[in-house]
Amino acid sequence: RKEVEQDPGPFNVPEGATVAFNCTYSNSASQSFFWYRQDCRKEPKLLMSVYSSGNEDGRFTAQLNRASQYISLLIRDSKLSDSATYLCVVNLPASGGSYIPTFGRGTSLIVHP
Amino acid sequence: DGGITQSPKYLFRKEGQNVTLSCEQNLNHDAMYWYRQDPGQGLRLIYYSQIVNDFQKGDIAEGYSVSREKKESFPLTVTSAQKNPTAFYLCASGRRYEQYFGPGTRLTVT
Repeated sequence: RKEVEQDPGPFNVPEGATVAFNCTYSNSASQSFFWYRQDCRKEPKLLMSVYSSGNEDGRFTAQLNRASQYISLLIRDSKLSDSATYLCVVNLPASGGSYIPTFGRGTSLIVHP
Repeated sequence: DGGITQSPKYLFRKEGQNVTLSCEQNLNHDAMYWYRQDPGQGLRLIYYSQIVNDFQKGDIAEGYSVSREKKESFPLTVTSAQKNPTAFYLCASGRRYEQYFGPGTRLTVT
């Protein structure tokens, strides 16, 4: 089982739709979770941090479910410009008490007119 | 301007040559990271450094080397021992586990 898993998609949705992605992780001791957005042939850009209490930024909402070991990203009122690959990051425990960032393979979103 | 710079954007090398990729940041971040991304794949961690003069291997360190002599700089050398060096290389810096990426270097080895 991979340590961090995402459905690669693509998720193909019309403008204005609501779409949600999940990202599951295998190590219950993981901490510090993030969502990144990556456009084609560009670097990933930090979208938002993920907390158990939820984190909302405009049309985007991120949530952490520790009991079921997944994080989610909800996008409301999708825009054409939301088309991109969305990467989740989970920090997995490593030796010496540190944590190592581990990326999922990404979920592709295509928003069409 | 604050940010992370990587150079060059595109790099072409012949097989058997070592090549060094540059990464500089002026964000005053302690942590720096190197990742590799292959087409259709996620990012895989090569090396990371949480403080000057210290670095650790990531998941795919074989065939790579790094140094961290200055807080601002974390160069990556792709050695001839790396079997499949052609990839998109991304450098990041950060604090409190948030990471900010440079624009990347596309390395092609033929």
